[in-house]
Amino acid sequence: KNQVEQSPQSLIILEGKNCTLQCNYTVSPFSNLRWYKQDTGRGPVSLTIMTFSENTKSNGRYTATLDADTKQSSLHITASQLSDSASYICVVPEESNYQLIWGAGTKLIIKP
Amino acid sequence: DAMVIQNPRYQVTQFGKPVTLSCSQTLNHNVMYWYQQKSSQAPKLLFHYYDKDFNNEADTPDNFQSRRPNTSFCFLDIRSPGLGDAAMYLCATSSYRSGQPQHFGDGTRLSIL
Repeated sequence: KNQVEQSPQSLIILEGKNCTLQCNYTVSPFSNLRWYKQDTGRGPVSLTIMTFSENTKSNGRYTATLDADTKQSSLHITASQLSDSASYICVVPEESNYQLIWGAGTKLIIKP
Repeated sequence: DAMVIQNPRYQVTQFGKPVTLSCSQTLNHNVMYWYQQKSSQAPKLLFHYYDKDFNNEADTPDNFQSRRPNTSFCFLDIRSPGLGDAAMYLCATSSYRSGQPQHFGDGTRLSIL
């Protein structure tokens, strides 16, 4: 069964600190993996897309990694800011590319 | 800026009273999607359009219908809302090309009285 699992479920860190969020997937065949940020009451916003051949991709203070052999991805946030408080969701499309398999998300809280 | 716009942001309707949610996009994307998201859950795909080609998910209730009169606009009609239909409804768009992200609107939060 195609699944996406994320850890931790929630995370509280102090402003300025770094953190790493984890994603494991069992979706097959695999084409790409996406990280979205969803603020409370808003729609998800795409942070990055990792394709099969990519190991690392950065978007500002966000750096995503992908290990297609172990079917794992991580999202590293550097020098966290209060505005980083949100849910971070790992998403892998099924073969059709229309149906997305969503992780349950990591709820990140940044404290001053 | 190119974007996906949903109106209204908040909608209140009565049990059984039809309601329509709207979505517009300036991205000129071929594909448009409607999702239902309940609190602390992942979005659930209701249906999507590939251009004018309508694709309904197998478990989408018959109570939910959609219209896409042109590339830019898409509507979600709920014919007889029940209490269980209270949720955030998200519209998204994407290019038809593989590997492209879905771009989401900020959603309409629907409440049922």
